[in-house]
Amino acid sequence: QSALTQPASVSGSPGQSITISCTGTSSDVGGYNHVSWYQQHPGKAPKLMIYDVSNRPSGVSNRFSGSKSGNTASLTISGLQAEDEADYYCSSYSTSGTLVLFGGGTKLTVL
Amino acid sequence: EVQLVESGGGLVQPGGSLRLSCAASGFTFSSRWMSWVRQAPGQGLEWVANINQDGSEKYYVDSVKGRFTISRDNAKNSLYLQMNSLRAEDTAVYYCARGYCTSTYCYRTAYDSWGQGTLVTVSS
Repeated sequence: QSALTQPASVSGSPGQSITISCTGTSSDVGGYNHVSWYQQHPGKAPKLMIYDVSNRPSGVSNRFSGSKSGNTASLTISGLQAEDEADYYCSSYSTSGTLVLFGGGTKLTVL
Repeated sequence: EVQLVESGGGLVQPGGSLRLSCAASGFTFSSRWMSWVRQAPGQGLEWVANINQDGSEKYYVDSVKGRFTISRDNAKNSLYLQMNSLRAEDTAVYYCARGYCTSTYCYRTAYDSWGQGTLVTVSS
């Protein structure tokens, strides 16, 4: 099963908003609302930022929001801050043989 | 404080075996789905395997089916990954991850706590 498709990199200036897309199929992103987003700083473990497309775990800033349209999910970060610079991964429940699919990751650079 | 501490990684020759362990503390281990997720050097995350709360349900990525076995010992608050017939492409940092729970539902595909990872290198 192929990984979900994310852009390799995005960038934005402090205070701006950016959106990262995550494209799958009707067997994963499009068919179910079990899409999650993770933030990973270099050399660190991933951190859950969004679950079930648009829900934030306790303690995650409301600057992070998620949405979905068809087979594409999106993570939006508003009011960009320097500490948001990290790699971001989407994941989804899948019925195409592998229970969980991850995206290839997107490197966010805060200019 | 929730803690997940992996151990057991190291250098192994192709075709060899390793057993990874994950010691959990700070939460009710037996109430959570648990997972192994790996990350090859400089690459993205790849889900490897999941196990439910009592060990009766197990799921694997296709590339490790028949070679890897996930298990748990709730009495010892520990998660394991037995890896046999290792290949160069299994080289990665292996993370132990805890399934996320809300007040009403426990997820098997979202992970809210991760260990620091243990490096497995398969090379001759």
